[in-house]
Amino acid sequence: DAMVIQNPRYQVTQFGKPVTLSCSQTLNHNVMYWYQQKSSQAPKLLFHYYDKDFNNEADTPDNFQSRRPNTSFCFLDIRSPGLGDAAMYLCATSGSDGNNQPQHFGDGTRLSIL
Amino acid sequence: QQPVQSPQAVILREGEDAVINCSSSKALYSVHWYRQKHGEAPVFLMILLKGGEQKGHEKISASFNEKKQQSSLYLTASQLSYSGTYFCGTEMAGTYDYKLSFGAGTTVTVRA
Repeated sequence: DAMVIQNPRYQVTQFGKPVTLSCSQTLNHNVMYWYQQKSSQAPKLLFHYYDKDFNNEADTPDNFQSRRPNTSFCFLDIRSPGLGDAAMYLCATSGSDGNNQPQHFGDGTRLSIL
Repeated sequence: QQPVQSPQAVILREGEDAVINCSSSKALYSVHWYRQKHGEAPVFLMILLKGGEQKGHEKISASFNEKKQQSSLYLTASQLSYSGTYFCGTEMAGTYDYKLSFGAGTTVTVRA
């Protein structure tokens, strides 16, 4: 089945130690998104790509970076994680055939900071 | 701009109905509805486009009132499987940026 896959499901890192989360998709979608979701809150968009065009949200901290080396893969790098960065990180994709395409989410990576 | 969802939470018994509302102060092109179960990813339910259409998914349906910039999600004859948090995601008219603004969510608990 075509899908969005996130690895790992759970990630533990130390305060200040860089961490990379990965996302891959077999849907061949142009658009990929990274969201941060904290407990009992809505997903918060960090950035998204339309193909290789990168779009950063104005309130996304500089600590968060992203790479999309090809259509299938997208990475979220957190350069110096703080305790406040502990959250679920969701990757999603959507097609670009019109503006009314659903977003398909991966299962998420739950990040803990020690 | 984040849409406003109401109510924040609702508790139902199996077979009861509920309505969840999603309102925006800006003109909308579309409204998406997702359901998220605890510890899982959001799952797409349906998209409503401007034009006031209605759609359905199982016994869950939705409408979009373009004049009011409001969408309503109707849970009919609720089942235990309907429990979860429902998010609306709105796409602003004229933006064409593929981004959604999600509401704060409505937690639905269906009890036997």
